[in-house]
Amino acid sequence: EDKVVQSPLSLVVHEGDTVTLNCSYEVTNFRSLLWYKQEKKAPTFLFMLTSSGIEKKSGRLSSILDKKELFSILNITATQTGDSAIYLCGGSNYKLTFGKGTLLTVNP
Amino acid sequence: SAVISQKPSRDICQRGTSLTIQCQVDSQVTMMFWYRQQPGQSLTLIATANQGSEATYESGFVIDKFPISRPNLTFSTLTVSNMSPEDSSIYLCSVEVRFQLPTYNEQFFGPGTRLTVL
Repeated sequence: EDKVVQSPLSLVVHEGDTVTLNCSYEVTNFRSLLWYKQEKKAPTFLFMLTSSGIEKKSGRLSSILDKKELFSILNITATQTGDSAIYLCGGSNYKLTFGKGTLLTVNP
Repeated sequence: SAVISQKPSRDICQRGTSLTIQCQVDSQVTMMFWYRQQPGQSLTLIATANQGSEATYESGFVIDKFPISRPNLTFSTLTVSNMSPEDSSIYLCSVEVRFQLPTYNEQFFGPGTRLTVL
């Protein structure tokens, strides 16, 4: 059975801190690793990673995949209160298996 | 990207009744999925909605409880049948969009339907 594990499950930081969210996966016929941000109902897409060692960046967010270690990280630098959300990691073959998510709280 | 709408956005239902959730996409997509997110939990795939054939259900989900229709490449419905309080969840429709040059796939989610069963 496919499995995705995220850590930590929750994290509280102050504005300006840098955070690293972790995601390990065991997905049969793995195709890609996706990161989402969920604030209210619908997750919003952040990154899709298919190749090892290639960092993807979007503003203060970046992510990288290690296909040998079956692992990905999501970094957020200079955190802001608007970054407070649940961050979901999903491993994809043709369907997505999600981890439980990391609840990030950024305090002013 | 794909623009996905869901109806209703939320509902409160009585035990034993059924609710049908609609998902509409602004472009033709091959792959459509239905997910459930129970309170405090992550997203769990219910089924893949196949156009022109029966949906493919994940372990723990059955057609009698969650019948799905997919009459065309832009629309799908999920029915939650004979509801109980344990069915209280957010139900999300998702689609996979394939991009060319470079070739890759992204998966987008609809706004979700928040269901409360009393």
